Amino acid sequence: AQKVTQAQTEISVVEKEDVTLDCVYETRDTTYYLFWYKQPPSGELVFLIRRNSFDEQNEISGRYSWNFQKSTSSFNFTITASQVVDSAVYFCALSEAERDDKIIFGKGTRLHILP
Amino acid sequence: NAGVTQTPKFRILKIGQSMTLQCTQDMNHNYMYWYRQDPGMGLKLIYYSVGAGITDKGEVPNGYNVSRSTTEDFPLRLELAAPSQTSVYFCASGRTYEQYFGPGTRLTVT
Repeated sequence: AQKVTQAQTEISVVEKEDVTLDCVYETRDTTYYLFWYKQPPSGELVFLIRRNSFDEQNEISGRYSWNFQKSTSSFNFTITASQVVDSAVYFCALSEAERDDKIIFGKGTRLHILP
Repeated sequence: NAGVTQTPKFRILKIGQSMTLQCTQDMNHNYMYWYRQDPGMGLKLIYYSVGAGITDKGEVPNGYNVSRSTTEDFPLRLELAAPSQTSVYFCASGRTYEQYFGPGTRLTVT
């Protein structure tokens, strides 16, 4: 069955520290998509990244990087040199391509960046 | 380009009242979705639609109804509001690899 686990409920780090948010997923399909979304205090959902199951290349976008490892069913997200504006709830999500494109979300990790 | 719009942004309902949450998208997407987000939780799928005239249940459909008469609109109906329906409701459109979310409707049932 589809499942996304974000074991870290809440994390606090001091500004400029690096922080990694963990995401572990379960799926029976060979074709699937993984996502990370950011939800700042204002409440909207901000799309960060999408990765399909056939592309295990890690990705870097500025201070953000993602490590996708199929062998451990993980899709971890690292923020380098964190900033106060990174404070938000971050959701990992999974979609199986053959199941009507429904996205299953993890419960989220609340990240506090302390000045 | 407005993307996905939702109205209202906030609403307080009394137990037993009814209301419709509106969702409109201008991207000509066939797929549309309704999610709810309870405090401290991720999003759960309520209903979805793969095209006009076609709807299907998601993970938590009880207490809700939907219709899809046009490609653009996907309203969500609450018939008899209950405190358990206090939540933030997000509408989305798109496909697996690209979903666009609306800004959300914060609903409180007291």
